[in-house]
Amino acid sequence: QVQLVQSGAEVKKPGASVKVSCKASGYTFTSHAIHWVRQAPGQRLEWMGWIDAGNGNTKYSQKFQGRVTITRDTSASTAHMELSSLRSEDTAVYYCARTYNTWFDHWGQGTLVTVSS
Amino acid sequence: ENVLTQSPATLSLSPGERATLSCRASQSVSNYLAWYQQKPGQAPRLLMYDASNRATGIPARFSGSGSGTDFTLTISSLEPEDFAVYYCQQRSNWPPTFGQGTKLEIK
Repeated sequence: QVQLVQSGAEVKKPGASVKVSCKASGYTFTSHAIHWVRQAPGQRLEWMGWIDAGNGNTKYSQKFQGRVTITRDTSASTAHMELSSLRSEDTAVYYCARTYNTWFDHWGQGTLVTVSS
Repeated sequence: ENVLTQSPATLSLSPGERATLSCRASQSVSNYLAWYQQKPGQAPRLLMYDASNRATGIPARFSGSGSGTDFTLTISSLEPEDFAVYYCQQRSNWPPTFGQGTKLEIK
């Protein structure tokens, strides 16, 4: 069955960077895009960007442009999301999600990133 | 960006009752709208896509309708496991956006 397993919770200081991984299994990794969506406490889900796992092309939300980098390692069937210049407002649960026909049909379990001095 | 507004914010119903959740888009999305269910501590789960198509494994008591700017998710007869937060999401306009959610709670 399709599974996306994310890396564990992180605590970072303001100004630091965080890298979250998302390991896929149960399907051909390069056949589906991986997106990153975050959910801050009490806030709606917020789309951050995506990567075409086949060719590596990426597209980011304007809000995060310049701070977010999404990469993938096809040999490990893993996508990564790195967010830099962290601030307290970046405290959130970060999800990876696979798209099927452009809809988010499978999600990772989420990774809590806490930004605190 | 296309802002999605869901109503009501909270819906209090009893098992067996019918639930009607609404999602309104600030710009037309045609039928490019999905619904997700999220339970505490879990990731969202895809329920409906293209406004009215049930995702794999979703029970027939869930149905979706609408096009353009106004959409509805209906749960015909609530089961205990249906009490959760529901989000709509559009992919017609870039970037993809989500509604703020409707919490369906037990009355």
